[in-house]
Amino acid sequence: GEDVEQSLFLSVREGDSSVINCTYTDSSSTYLYWYKQEPGAGLQLLTYIFSNMDMKQDQRLTVLLNKKDKHLSLRIADTQTGDSAIYFCADLTGTASKLTFGTGTRLQVTL
Amino acid sequence: EAGVAQSPRYKIIEKRQSVAFWCNPISGHATLYWYQQILGQGPKLLIQFQNNGVVDDSQLPKDRFSAERLKGVDSTLKIQPAKLEDSAVYLCASSPGGLGGELFFGEGSRLTVL
Repeated sequence: GEDVEQSLFLSVREGDSSVINCTYTDSSSTYLYWYKQEPGAGLQLLTYIFSNMDMKQDQRLTVLLNKKDKHLSLRIADTQTGDSAIYFCADLTGTASKLTFGTGTRLQVTL
Repeated sequence: EAGVAQSPRYKIIEKRQSVAFWCNPISGHATLYWYQQILGQGPKLLIQFQNNGVVDDSQLPKDRFSAERLKGVDSTLKIQPAKLEDSAVYLCASSPGGLGGELFFGEGSRLTVL
């Protein structure tokens, strides 16, 4: 089955940029997503990219997709303490729109 | 617009007991998902409904887990009997359907099995 991998932890200083990486295995992915999860809360969709795009920018967020290497990244510019959370990448595959999540990256923002 | 509603938010039971979780999706959303999120891991799909039919239940432990979506709206997820390893947050999500649709998640039901 599909496998989605992420590094477990990232620590950045407030004001710096954060880059969270994700790799996936299924080449038939159609959409790739980034979700944010704050403690005790559900998952909030941050942004997504269609598989035929290689970049998408949305305010402080930039998503880069390297389809050849099956690598997805999320860059957060000017990272704030409110960005501290767990970030999940997920990819959508198959005609039934199955969404498979990565293991999550905990982002810690320090002052 | 009201979001995805789940209840109960928290449940503590002893192993071998049973438990049921309820989900009310966003009105008009055809697709409903149940995910299991074990502490420190990403959500894992248990079952996906399209209206009231099952699309994917390949990762549902059918010897103890069951789910239904009567009339294509609300859904319940039941665990009977529970095991210690079932301790997790059970997330319900819904989407309008169609390729690439956003999934909207509820806040989850946290289960602790003692």
